[in-house]
Amino acid sequence: EPEVTQTPSHQVTQMGQEVILRCVPISNHLYFYWYRQILGQKVEFLVSFYNNEISEKSEIFDDQFSVERPDGSNFTLKIRSTKLEDSAMYFCASSGGGYPAETQYFGPGTRLLVL
Amino acid sequence: AQSVAQPEDQVNVAEGNPLTVKCTYSVSGNPYLFWYVQYPNRGLQFLLKYITGDNLVKGSYGFEAEFNKSQTSFHLKKPSALVSDSALYFCVTNDYKLSFGAGTTVTVRA
Repeated sequence: EPEVTQTPSHQVTQMGQEVILRCVPISNHLYFYWYRQILGQKVEFLVSFYNNEISEKSEIFDDQFSVERPDGSNFTLKIRSTKLEDSAMYFCASSGGGYPAETQYFGPGTRLLVL
Repeated sequence: AQSVAQPEDQVNVAEGNPLTVKCTYSVSGNPYLFWYVQYPNRGLQFLLKYITGDNLVKGSYGFEAEFNKSQTSFHLKKPSALVSDSALYFCVTNDYKLSFGAGTTVTVRA
């Protein structure tokens, strides 16, 4: 069964450093997403991406964040200058269509710790 | 704004007993409702969804959910719980982006 994969599973970084979180969506999916879950809080939407463009982004997704599809398989989330409050579990998801009825399939997550 | 609420932080049941995880929703227009499960150190796994049609939706691992428009609820149910069902369950609504409930931790004791 196809699945979304994410690397690394864990990342520890120093405040102010850049990090890149990587995701490989399900191969025939066209819509990609990033969510995050701060420990003890709800899972929050960050950004959606389709046709090499951001479709929608939340207020969390400020200028420190960027997303990219550098090739035909990877989808990345970059945080330019990490802050302590960026520590969270980051989930990538993909779906075959962009309508609300479509199911989004999630990767296992990357746990980011900013020191 | 679309939102869902899970009124119970934790649900504890004995193996073999029925399991219910509650969810209420607040959406404008047609609701698109989902249940996901998160096992320890694993990602979010899709269980089932309600789009339209039958109010009783069947999903993976023997789970089902009942959509109730008058009560604006979408409770997840399993007739006979297993120890392996112990996990964190999320009720979710989709308005081109997913909005998650706070989650309910289910513990099934042997």
